Amino acid sequence: GQQLNQSPQSMFIQEGEDVSMNCTSSSIFNTWLWYKQDPGEGPVLLIALYKAGELTSNGRLTAQFGITRKDSFLNISASIPSDVGIYFCANAGGTSYGKLTFGQGTILTVHP
Amino acid sequence: DTAVSQTPKYLVTQMGNDKSIKCEQNLGHDTMYWYKQDSKKFLKIMFSYNNKELIINETVPNRFSPKSPDKAHLNLHINSLELGDSAVYFCASSQGRAGYGYTFGSGTRLTVV
Repeated sequence: GQQLNQSPQSMFIQEGEDVSMNCTSSSIFNTWLWYKQDPGEGPVLLIALYKAGELTSNGRLTAQFGITRKDSFLNISASIPSDVGIYFCANAGGTSYGKLTFGQGTILTVHP
Repeated sequence: DTAVSQTPKYLVTQMGNDKSIKCEQNLGHDTMYWYKQDSKKFLKIMFSYNNKELIINETVPNRFSPKSPDKAHLNLHINSLELGDSAVYFCASSQGRAGYGYTFGSGTRLTVV
């Protein structure tokens, strides 16, 4: 089955720093999604990307759909303590009613 | 109102028992899912139902049986629980194509002792 390789696995940063994480795949996809999971909660959709090269922002978050359609990046600017959590990339492979496949996740810790 | 609600939030049970987890969504979505998150936080799909019809059944032991009485509910029954079943189980829903993203419940932490 398809695999998504997400990196880094974990990050420890100081409040105010910028963060960057990425996701790659050996397959081409039509959709890239980024989720955040807070401790004790389910993942919540942050940003959805549907077009190669697309750059989309949501507040301090910016995500890009790679030109090759095999990768995506998520950047967080000026991190704050509530950014702590696990960030997942995901994609659906363009199938109707299909499953979402998730990356391994990036665990983000922000020190005040 | 909670969009996707799961009960119970926590479940501790002994090996060999049978248990159920319930899920309800009030979003009017037509597709519901069960995902398992292991101790390394990896999320893996188990089942998917579209309008009460099973459409995805990944390689899951047949001790796990989903049931969808209507499109707003998807329950998960687990027979003869094993230690390796300990995990967090998430219910999710979507309208139509999964590519528009799911809405997840807050999870059920199952601990088998």
